[in-house]
Amino acid sequence: DSGVTQTPKHLITATGQRVTLRCSPRSGDLSVYWYQQSLDQGLQFLIQYYNGEERAKGNILERFSAQQFPDLHSELNLSSLELGDSALYFCASSLNPGTGDYNSPLHFGNGTRLTVT
Amino acid sequence: GQQLNQSPQSMFIQEGEDVSMNCTSSSIFNTWLWYKQDPGEGPVLLIALYKAGELTSNGRLTAQFGITRKDSFLNISASIPSDVGIYFCAGLKNTGNQFYFGTGTSLTVIP
Repeated sequence: DSGVTQTPKHLITATGQRVTLRCSPRSGDLSVYWYQQSLDQGLQFLIQYYNGEERAKGNILERFSAQQFPDLHSELNLSSLELGDSALYFCASSLNPGTGDYNSPLHFGNGTRLTVT
Repeated sequence: GQQLNQSPQSMFIQEGEDVSMNCTSSSIFNTWLWYKQDPGEGPVLLIALYKAGELTSNGRLTAQFGITRKDSFLNISASIPSDVGIYFCAGLKNTGNQFYFGTGTSLTVIP
């Protein structure tokens, strides 16, 4: 158990809808990362938060947004969903933001499997 | 975004054989991580590397941080059926916050 909790585990919704994915980081971790993994694909970085503030942005669509709350949990909002958004969405957490000489590794949750029909 | 070049893409080996895979980039990294992912689950951290030339073991797994800081290697000795899965490397540049992930190596162990 990595200590990172993601809910829900599965989500099935229709095109055009909006969903919210939730992530609770490991106790003590301040940084949260979101990744998308499509079928047989690698992990695509979406966005990173550190202590409530956006730290880095990857290939995140404008239809997607995220935030990290004061209690450090994070939510990823996906709107105007398209069939191509079907994927596994992973949250990962780490202690520090990854800018020092010692960069604490990422610990991943078990993901939310999103199916858009 | 940038991805690391990971090879081989897939491997089919007999139980008991040793496995080697590597990850390369044209950029310099100051942290290398290796993960294993089972189907439908999140990647699990295997080994973390922080210094060029560092060699770190975790049971039958050994990973090395390349001297040039542009590559890393993972070796698995005496493979067993539960080693089956997809192995990912990940690297953090010294200039940014983003962890870049390799494309993965799918390992199949034949009993």
